[in-house]
Formats: sequence, structure tokens, C-alpha cells
Amino acid sequence: RKEVEQDPGPFNVPEGATVAFNCTYSNSASQSFFWYRQDCRKEPKLLMSVYSSGNEDGRFTAQLNRASQYISLLIRDSKLSDSATYLCVVNSYGGATNKLIFGTGTLLAVQP
Amino acid sequence: NAGVTQTPKFQVLKTGQSMTLQCAQDMNHEYMSWYRQDPGMGLRLIHYSVGAGITDQGEVPNGYNVSRSTTEDFPLRLLSAAPSQTSVYFCASTSRALPRGYTFGSGTRLTVV
Repeated sequence: RKEVEQDPGPFNVPEGATVAFNCTYSNSASQSFFWYRQDCRKEPKLLMSVYSSGNEDGRFTAQLNRASQYISLLIRDSKLSDSATYLCVVNSYGGATNKLIFGTGTLLAVQP
Repeated sequence: NAGVTQTPKFQVLKTGQSMTLQCAQDMNHEYMSWYRQDPGMGLRLIHYSVGAGITDQGEVPNGYNVSRSTTEDFPLRLLSAAPSQTSVYFCASTSRALPRGYTFGSGTRLTVV
């Protein structure tokens, strides 16, 4: 079983739609959680961190459920420019350990 | 501009050749990592370092060596290139001050023929 698993995708949605991505992680010792965005043939870039209380950044809302080991990302009012691959990422660190583990990503295509 | 710099951007190797992928960061970050990205596999951790002189293996370390003699540099060495190492390689770094997301370099596209 992969340490981080995401919705298979791709997601094809019209402009203005609301879309949600889900992610589960297997290591209960994971301590930090992130969503990254990766455009085609580019490096991943941090979209937002995910906090236990949930957090929002404009049209983007992230949620974390530690008990269920579940992370979500909600995008409201989708724009064409949101088209990208969204990567769920968990970080386990402490002492001599600091590892980011990535999900395989979910491709979002926003249609005009 | 501050950030993570990877060189080269593109490379073609013959099977059996060796080479070093360079990675440098100027943000004084303690943590650095190397990932490879293959279609359908996502990003997989090769090696990582939590500080100068300290390295450890990730998920797919075979065929690769690393060293961390300075805080700034974290080169990845391919000992004897194989076609299975054809991939896009990303180097990334972050600060130990707060657990936070990594900053990635722009990647090296490697083809082994």
C-alpha cells in the first residue's frame, strides 16, 4: 500500500465549478501536511499547508482529519489557470528524519 | 534570485556512464532531498539530508550516491547509468526552523540510452 493515496483523476470541470480532492495517508506519525501544485513539465510548488483546524486561502480550503488520516482540498469557482496536477504531501520529521512523501497526484482540467 | 539551482537541465547518457547532478541552495536550509518523477509513479524520494555530513536513504536509493559536505550543496551521483534511471530529477530544500514545505529546483531531465 502506498504511504499517500489520492483520487485517481483526471477531473474535468467547467469554469466556475467547485471541485474536491481527497487523500489518505498510512503513517500515523506524519506531522505536517501540504498540497502542492505542479504544472506540466515544471517543478512542484507549495500551494498550501494543511492544519488540523482547517485553513482557507482565497478559493482554496484544506482540511485534515488525523483520526481518519484523511486530507482534502476544495477549490471553489474554478479558473482555467487552476488546471494542473495537485499533489498531496505528508512530512514525517524528528531527529535525523525529515521526509516528504508524495501522492501520485490528481490532474485537474478546467474547461471554458 | 534565491532558491534551489539544479544543473544540468537536460542530459543524455549512455548505459554504464557515470555523472553527477548538481544541486545548490542559497537559503541556508538544513534539509535537502532528491526525488525522481516518473509517469504514473509520482515523486519518489531517493536520498535526503538533515544537515552537512548527514545523509540517509529514501524509497529508491539503489544506483545513486549522495554526499553533503556543505550546507549549500547536495550532489547526486549516478554510478553506472541504466535505462531505468531515465527520469526527471528534482532537488528540494527546506529550513529546520519550522516544519514547512520544500522549495524545489526546476529539475534535470535525464535520458539513459
